[in-house]
Amino acid sequence: ETGVTQTPRHLVMGMTNKKSLKCEQHLGHNAMYWYKQSAKKPLELMFVYNFKEQTENNSVPSRFSPECPNSSHLFLHLHTLQPEDSALYLCASRILSLNTEAFFGQGTRLTVV
Amino acid sequence: DAKTTQPNSMESNEEEPVHLPCNHSTISGTDYIHWYRQLPSQGPEYVIHGLTSNVNNRMASLAIAEDRKSSTLILHRATLRDAAVYYCILRDVVKNSGGSNYKLTFGKGTLLTVNP
Repeated sequence: ETGVTQTPRHLVMGMTNKKSLKCEQHLGHNAMYWYKQSAKKPLELMFVYNFKEQTENNSVPSRFSPECPNSSHLFLHLHTLQPEDSALYLCASRILSLNTEAFFGQGTRLTVV
Repeated sequence: DAKTTQPNSMESNEEEPVHLPCNHSTISGTDYIHWYRQLPSQGPEYVIHGLTSNVNNRMASLAIAEDRKSSTLILHRATLRDAAVYYCILRDVVKNSGGSNYKLTFGKGTLLTVNP
């Protein structure tokens, strides 16, 4: 248990659906990240947030839309996904100091059918 | 982005020490070396990090070469629960963060198998 909670743990959605992934932490962290882990590929950074402000978008398609309403919550809104978007989506958080470690959630296993 | 090179896989026996190598020949003077591991069906977990000096914590030790172009993660007594993918990462500063934030760029890591 890292203190970073992701829901749901598993999600199956059709290509025309709209769904959202949620990440929550009450560790007092103020930087949050979304990563994507596809089968047999390294983790790919998607988005970075500092104090609710998005500071990096790693060329992610617009069908993925992040939202960070406060420092404790991070969402990833999904719409019109493709089967190749099926992956494990991981959230991480940390304190904004160069020497602190990141804490990861357990991830949401997403399957697009 | 700075890069690291690790063996794809390594094997160890339970109760024996494990030395996981990492090469990072393009490391810059301010890059910290981070190690994370990912157990099956879980998110990555922090192991240890360092800059120049060797580091020890309850999980592992990190030995950093004098020229900083390589490092070794040492698990002193491997257990079956240490079977995981181990990632050696050089921290990158996030652009537009005023230098206040970093990101972790993961490679393929080393799959460690521990035999009973």
